[in-house]
Amino acid sequence: KNEVEQSPQNLTAQEGEFITINCSYSVGISALHWLQQHPGGGIVSLFMLSSGKKKHGRLIATINIQEKHSSLHITASHPRDSAVYICAVRVNFGNEKLTFGTGTRLTIIP
Amino acid sequence: EPEVTQTPSHQVTQMGQEVILRCVPISNHLYFYWYRQILGQKVEFLVSFYNNEISEKSEIFDDQFSVERPDGSNFTLKIRSTKLEDSAMYFCASSESLAFANTGELFFGEGSRLTVL
Repeated sequence: KNEVEQSPQNLTAQEGEFITINCSYSVGISALHWLQQHPGGGIVSLFMLSSGKKKHGRLIATINIQEKHSSLHITASHPRDSAVYICAVRVNFGNEKLTFGTGTRLTIIP
Repeated sequence: EPEVTQTPSHQVTQMGQEVILRCVPISNHLYFYWYRQILGQKVEFLVSFYNNEISEKSEIFDDQFSVERPDGSNFTLKIRSTKLEDSAMYFCASSESLAFANTGELFFGEGSRLTVL
């Protein structure tokens, strides 16, 4: 059974701080997604990773397949980054089921 | 920008009633999904749908649930006889490519909150 663990569960930081959210999983995967869930509940896909690193604006996602670990970084954090960040993994190509982590609630204080 | 739309945004129903949640995926997408999130818990996969049939479903997706693509645009989730534990936010999603093998992008709707009394 694949478990997806995220840390921290909650994170409060000052505007401008560099943020790191971690995700670990227990079995080999074919892809990992980072998602953002807004306070109203809507979900937005941020990244899909199968190796290496991706960058989009102030967001950077990395994955280490051997260590079964991924990180999401936010540079120059802003109050509008406040949301729940969710890691989700897919085990096999052709297997469409995603297994989700519990999420990290990020609050950026102005 | 294209988006996935869901209706209703919130539905309150009595236990035992049938509920249909509707989704309009992005028009050129081929793969459709339903997920649910019970309040305070993880998002859970329910079902995936491709080429007018279910391609994968979770153990949650029992005989009370069904999905349908009744026309070229809508994708529906039906719960035949709702239970209290069906209260959750239900998210529809769609993607262009098979199992995220290419661009990997998955587009979610804003969710339909179902409250069963």
